[in-house]
Amino acid sequence: GENVEQHPSTLSVQEGDSAVIKCTYSDSASNYFPWYKQELGKRPQLIIDIRSNVGEKKDQRIAVTLNKTAKHFSLHITETQPEDSAVYFCAAQFHFGNEKLTFGTGTRLTIIP
Amino acid sequence: DTEVTQTPKHLVMGMTNKKSLKCEQHMGHRAMYWYKQKAKKPPELMFVYSYEKLSINESVPSRFSPECPNSSLLNLHLHALQPEDSALYLCASSQESASGGTGQYFGPGTRLTVT
Repeated sequence: GENVEQHPSTLSVQEGDSAVIKCTYSDSASNYFPWYKQELGKRPQLIIDIRSNVGEKKDQRIAVTLNKTAKHFSLHITETQPEDSAVYFCAAQFHFGNEKLTFGTGTRLTIIP
Repeated sequence: DTEVTQTPKHLVMGMTNKKSLKCEQHMGHRAMYWYKQKAKKPPELMFVYSYEKLSINESVPSRFSPECPNSSLLNLHLHALQPEDSALYLCASSQESASGGTGQYFGPGTRLTVT
């Protein structure tokens, strides 16, 4: 069945450095890839997304890249700040016209001051 | 209004109780969802409503019963739950797109404890 793998499960970086989280998906029909940030005790928050007809998207310090051939997509956070500490989930939509998302297992990102 | 709201924030119920979780959105979204999230795990899809009709039921036990009274409201009725049903229950909504794939926006969740 559908599957999204996410790595690493935990990531610690020094404040100001960059962080990269990687995901792979199994269904080549997937056409939408959002990223969510979830702080402790809070709701998952959509921070950036990308569609299958785009290779890269950037929003200030965060960017997402998509390699459809390899079925990989990645989240890049530059100039990390303490408030970036959270759990990040990637997700993929496998059903055209249907809103079912399959989530990755999550990455706990810790920014070290 | 760009938020999804949920009530109550916390709920403690016994295994013989009947309770309901409520969700509301005023963003004009036509798809609404219920998710269950256990600690340190991703959200797990339970139900999807599209244009007020149930479109996906992820083989959820019948002790969970969803209801969509109108395009802005979503309820989850709970009855005879088990302790393992204790979790954070998240509601989400999205603007359906014929081209597939739109962002889902989550409510703050209801922290449910079954005793």
